[in-house]
Amino acid sequence: GQQLNQSPQSMFIQEGEDVSMNCTSSSIFNTWLWYKQDPGEGPVLLIALYKAGELTSNGRLTAQFGITRKDSFLNISASIPSDVGIYFCAGGSNYKLTFGKGTLLTVNP
Amino acid sequence: EAGVAQSPRYKIIEKRQSVAFWCNPISGHATLYWYQQILGQGPKLLIQFQNNGVVDDSQLPKDRFSAERLKGVDSTLKIQPAKLEDSAVYLCASSLGVGLDYEQFFGPGTRLTVL
Repeated sequence: GQQLNQSPQSMFIQEGEDVSMNCTSSSIFNTWLWYKQDPGEGPVLLIALYKAGELTSNGRLTAQFGITRKDSFLNISASIPSDVGIYFCAGGSNYKLTFGKGTLLTVNP
Repeated sequence: EAGVAQSPRYKIIEKRQSVAFWCNPISGHATLYWYQQILGQGPKLLIQFQNNGVVDDSQLPKDRFSAERLKGVDSTLKIQPAKLEDSAVYLCASSLGVGLDYEQFFGPGTRLTVL
C-alpha cells in the first residue's frame, strides 16, 4: 500500500523558534493535509492543500503541496508552548487518507 | 455544535475476548470513518460508510473485525476474538460528504488494551 515518510520523528525547540517538517511518498496524492493531535484527543485539521504547488497559510502555519505531488512540508513560525503535540501529514487519493507516522514537537518555554 | 462522540474511552480485555466500540457522528454528517491508531503511528483507515452503505473496507481484517451503521447515524465497531496486536486507539471520524474536500472531524478515540 501507499506509505508516507514523515520527518523528523521528533523535535525539541525553544519558544520563538521556527519549525519545519515534511512528508515524502513514492506515490502521487491529489490532496495533502496536515493535522495536530494532542494527548487523549483525535487529530484536528490544520491546513488542507488541493493543488500541486499550492502554498497556504493559517496564522503562523504555512504548508505547501509539492510540484511532483509526492511531498509536502509544514512550517510553524515563532513557536509557542501550545504548539506542543504530534503533527501528522496525510496524503489523499481515491477518497482515502494515508497518514504519516507523525512528528512529536516539544517547545521549551 | 457537538463533536464526534465515542464510548467507551478506555477498554481492557484479554486476548480471545470480544469488544465493541460505539460512535455517534456530528449531526447531519453522512460519511463516517473508523481508524486504527497503533502507538507511535498515524491513523489507518479501517472502514468508511456513506449513510448506511460501505464505501471502503479494504483494510478491515474481516475475519475478526466487523462494523455496522444500520440507520445511517450511529456506528458500532466489533472485534471478535481480539488479539494482542489489536491494542490501539480506535478513532471515529465524520464528514458532510465522501470527498476529501470535506473535512473529517475526529472523536477522542477508544483506547483498547489487549492482555
